[in-house]
Amino acid sequence: SAVISQKPSRDICQRGTSLTIQCQVDSQVTMMFWYRQQPGQSLTLIATANQGSEATYESGFVIDKFPISRPNLTFSTLTVSNMSPEDSSIYLCSVIQGAPNPIQETQYFGPGTRLLVL
Amino acid sequence: GNSVTQMEGPVTLSEEAFLTINCTYTATGYPSLFWYVQYPGEGLQLLLKATKADDKGSNKGFEATYRKETTSFHLEKGSVQVSDSAVYFCALTFPYNQGGKLIFGQGTELSVKP
Repeated sequence: SAVISQKPSRDICQRGTSLTIQCQVDSQVTMMFWYRQQPGQSLTLIATANQGSEATYESGFVIDKFPISRPNLTFSTLTVSNMSPEDSSIYLCSVIQGAPNPIQETQYFGPGTRLLVL
Repeated sequence: GNSVTQMEGPVTLSEEAFLTINCTYTATGYPSLFWYVQYPGEGLQLLLKATKADDKGSNKGFEATYRKETTSFHLEKGSVQVSDSAVYFCALTFPYNQGGKLIFGQGTELSVKP
C-alpha cells in the first residue's frame, strides 16, 4: 500500500487565520481525496483533488473556504481559510491504489492532521 | 442515495468475547464494501474489504461477508483482545471511474476490558 504522510500532524490556530495542510504520497496516484472528521463523528468527503485542474467539491464545501492544490501526482495541499472553532476537526487525505481493477482498487488514508481552532 | 448504517456504540466486551458489529447499506448498483479501523489518536487503517456478493474479507482474525440479499456486511471476530479497542467504520464505494468516493457509516467504538 502507498505510504502517505501529512504535515502538520496537529496544530492549534486562532480564529480568522488560515492553515495549509500538506499530503505527500510515495508513489504516483491518479486520485487523491480530502476528508474531514469532526469530533466524535464519521468522515465526510470535502473534495477530490484533481491533478492539473480544479478540485471537485462535495455539497456543502466551497473553494473559497477549502482551496486545494494538486501540482503533481504525489502531492496535494488543503487550506482551511478564515477558520472558526467549528473547523476544529481531523483532516485526512487519501489515495486510491489498484485502479482500474475493481478487485484491487482500495483507498488508503494518511495519518490525519488534528486541528483545533480557538 | 447511497448510505451506510452501523450499530450504535460504544460496545464494551471482555477479552476473548465474540464480537459482532452490524453494518447495512443502501446503494444503487454494486458497491465494494470495506471495514476501516481507527485506533486512538491515529488515522484510518484498512481492515478488510469485499468487492462482490458472497465475498468474505478477513484480516487479523476479523471477518465480514458481503450479503447482497440482506445488504449487509457485518464485522465479526471470535475472540477479541484489549488491543482491538478502537473505532470501526463500515464504508462503501464505487470504482474510481465512478468517482471513488467512500461513504462511511457513523462508526462504532469498541472497548475491550481485560
